Amino acid sequence: AIQLTQSPSSLSASVGDRVTITCRASQGIHSALAWYQQKPGKAPNLLIYDASNLESGVPSRFSGSGSGTDFTLTIGSLQPEDFATYYCQQAHSFPWTFGQGTKVEIK
Amino acid sequence: QVQLLQSGAEVKKPGSSVKISCKASGYTFTTYTVSWLRQVPGHGPEWMGGIIPIFGAANYAQNFQGRVTITADESANTVYMELSSLTSDDTAVYYCARGRNNVPVFDYWGQGSLVTVS
Repeated sequence: AIQLTQSPSSLSASVGDRVTITCRASQGIHSALAWYQQKPGKAPNLLIYDASNLESGVPSRFSGSGSGTDFTLTIGSLQPEDFATYYCQQAHSFPWTFGQGTKVEIK
Repeated sequence: QVQLLQSGAEVKKPGSSVKISCKASGYTFTTYTVSWLRQVPGHGPEWMGGIIPIFGAANYAQNFQGRVTITADESANTVYMELSSLTSDDTAVYYCARGRNNVPVFDYWGQGSLVTVS
């Protein structure tokens, strides 16, 4: 199975900060990567698919980039509602796998 | 609007089985994949398997092969997941999620069903 490694595992940031989260795949997956946001007690919410395509309804401050093995999720200007845990997911081959998560906390 | 409504929390004994339901509405049930994933607190989701109702055949992650069965009832717009030979390691929140057929990502999720094995 393809392993996804996210970094950092957690970070502290302030409202208005630019935040970057990385996801590294154990083998090349082209652009077959998605990003999700999850808040406590809720199901994950799809933010980005195909590495850089913004899901309908997701604010434009979220963006994704990368291909092959290295990917990035960027939040352009952190808002209070963005404090959550973020996961990457590879959509290249079975079984679909997720990263271990990055928790974004308030500084 | 698309909704996936799951059955409630379960408490099971080790060695027993659990069956969770996921009722879909707001879209054409038969033509989208419905997957089951589980999540242990502090960890990322783990994909268990999925089914396209119109085809009926499910595929499963190797980690769960032989222990999980996913079925679909088209007349009830409902997908079921049964997990057998439960151990304490199976204690988790179980989610159903709709997958896009052209891009295997999960765009709608159920609310989650907590399964406690104790």
